[in-house]
Amino acid sequence: GENVEQHPSTLSVQEGDSAVIKCTYSDSASNYFPWYKQELGKRPQLIIDIRSNVGEKKDQRIAVTLNKTAKHFSLHITETQPEDSAVYFCAASRTALIFGKGTTLSVSS
Amino acid sequence: DTAVSQTPKYLVTQMGNDKSIKCEQNLGHDTMYWYKQDSKKFLKIMFSYNNKELIINETVPNRFSPKSPDKAHLNLHINSLELGDSAVYFCASSQVGDQPQHFGDGTRLSIL
Repeated sequence: GENVEQHPSTLSVQEGDSAVIKCTYSDSASNYFPWYKQELGKRPQLIIDIRSNVGEKKDQRIAVTLNKTAKHFSLHITETQPEDSAVYFCAASRTALIFGKGTTLSVSS
Repeated sequence: DTAVSQTPKYLVTQMGNDKSIKCEQNLGHDTMYWYKQDSKKFLKIMFSYNNKELIINETVPNRFSPKSPDKAHLNLHINSLELGDSAVYFCASSQVGDQPQHFGDGTRLSIL
């Protein structure tokens, strides 16, 4: 079955810096890769997703890149703000969403 | 209006009891899911239903039984609760196929 590895598990940056979270997946048949943000005590919320026929997608300060050959995808957040502090999850899907173990991002002002 | 709603929000009970969690979505989605998030924040798929039919059943103890009376509802019944069942249970829904999933607010289950 699918296995998703996510790194780093924690990430601390200064406000205004960029943050990068990386994930790898094992099942080459996976074709959908969403990213979720979860604030403390809240539900996971979709922030951006990418499909296997696209290499990069951007939405304001957030971008995701996908390398199908290497089976890895990354989340890039530019100009980080304190409100970006949360746990971020990557996931890969062929029939079901398989999540990485999460990255706790802390943005200090 | 809440898109995916779960009840109850908190559930505190003793080992050995039986409990149910209810989930409803008003997004018109065909597919609904149950996830378990443990104390280390790891999110794991438990079940998935498409239009009332079970399509994903991960390695979950058979004490957990999902039921979907219609495509807008997916309930989770748990028999003989154990300490290890303590977690946050999230319901989610999506259109069929690889589409964005919308999560409910979660049910925090605590076993005493």
